[in-house]
Amino acid sequence: DIQMTQSPSSLSTSVGDRVILTCRASQNISIYVNWYQQKPGKAPKLLIYSASSLQSGVPSRFSGSGSGTDFTLTISSLQPGDFATYYCQQRYTAPRYTFGQGTKLENK
Amino acid sequence: EVLLVESGGGLVQPGGSLRISCAASGFTFGSYEMNWVRQAPGKGLEWISYISSTGGTTHYADSVKGRFSISRDNAKNSLNLQMNGLRAEDTAFYYCTTDFHVTLVRGLPQGIDYWGHGTLVTVSS
Repeated sequence: DIQMTQSPSSLSTSVGDRVILTCRASQNISIYVNWYQQKPGKAPKLLIYSASSLQSGVPSRFSGSGSGTDFTLTISSLQPGDFATYYCQQRYTAPRYTFGQGTKLENK
Repeated sequence: EVLLVESGGGLVQPGGSLRISCAASGFTFGSYEMNWVRQAPGKGLEWISYISSTGGTTHYADSVKGRFSISRDNAKNSLNLQMNGLRAEDTAFYYCTTDFHVTLVRGLPQGIDYWGHGTLVTVSS
């Protein structure tokens, strides 16, 4: 099985910060990565698909990059509503998906 | 508006069975592949099962293979998950999701990825 490892597991940040989250796959998965945002008590929301494609309706401060085994999600200027947990997901072995363990953004 | 509404969650004893369902509306359910994803309280996301649009192909995570069974009724726009031999580690919120794909909307690519609100299954004596 492909393992997805996210770092850090939590991050103390402030509004206006540039935030970079990373996700590493245990093998080459090309660009088959999605990024999700999840707020407490809510279902995950798709932000980025195919490593770098912005989902419709998602603010442009979110961007994704990477290919192969290393991927990043960048939030250019953190907004109050962005404090949440972020998950990467590999789709290379669809439909047998695996998720990273998540990165929780906390208000410093 | 696309809606996926899970139901049937609750408290069940270890070794017991439970059937949860997902009612779909707002899209052509019979054309969509579907998944169940679960999340233990305070933990991460785990994909557990997939079913093709016709129901002819299914896949399961190793953690539930042989105990859980996914099915669908396209005439009723419903997705089901029969869970047998439940264990404490099966305690989680269970989400019904459409299988991710990309389509063109007004000529522009858009990811299609719908999730329900989840139903909580608690396995405890």
